[in-house]
Amino acid sequence: QVQVVQSGAEVKKPGASVKVSCKTFGYSFTSYYIHWLRQAPGQGLEWMGLIIPNGGSTSYAQKFQGRVTMTSDTSTSTVYMELYSLRSEDTAVYYCARERRLRHFDYLFAFWGQGTPVTVSS
Amino acid sequence: EVVLTQSPGTLSLSPGERATLSCRASQSVGSDLAWYQQKLGQAPRLLIYDASNRATGIPARFRGSGSGTDFTLIISTVEPEDFAVYYCQQHNNRPPIIFGQGTRLDIK
Repeated sequence: QVQVVQSGAEVKKPGASVKVSCKTFGYSFTSYYIHWLRQAPGQGLEWMGLIIPNGGSTSYAQKFQGRVTMTSDTSTSTVYMELYSLRSEDTAVYYCARERRLRHFDYLFAFWGQGTPVTVSS
Repeated sequence: EVVLTQSPGTLSLSPGERATLSCRASQSVGSDLAWYQQKLGQAPRLLIYDASNRATGIPARFRGSGSGTDFTLIISTVEPEDFAVYYCQQHNNRPPIIFGQGTRLDIK
């Protein structure tokens, strides 16, 4: 069955960068788009962007343009999200989520990773 | 940019009761509205998409309705495992992807 497993918690200082991984199992990795979202403590959900694993094309939310990079490794069925120039407001749980339908931009998040807490603190 | 407003902020019910959650859009999103459930410490789970279609494995007690700017999620008979936060989301195939602020369903 479909599984999405993320890397572990991170603690970073302001100005640093963080790279979170998202390894997928149980389906054709190149056939479904992967999204990244985040959730600040006690807050709602925020969409950050998506990657098409086959070819690596990306689309980022305007808020994160220039500060985020999403990449994919088809050999390990893993996608990565790197966020730069971290500030305290980036403290959040970061999620990757697989699109619902094969090769569709539905922006429907059907399978989620368990989340990666990132804490930014001096 | 669309704004999604959910009400009420908190809904306190007993198991066995009916839950009615609302999501209002600041402009029409057609039927491109989804609902998610998030339990404490867990990732969200997709419940409903296209306003009224249940996602795979979602029990029939969850029903979505609405179109345009007014949407409703009804849980016909609340089960103990249904106490969680519920988010609506517009999914009209292009960014920005917007979520509502959430409705917390609490045990009364």
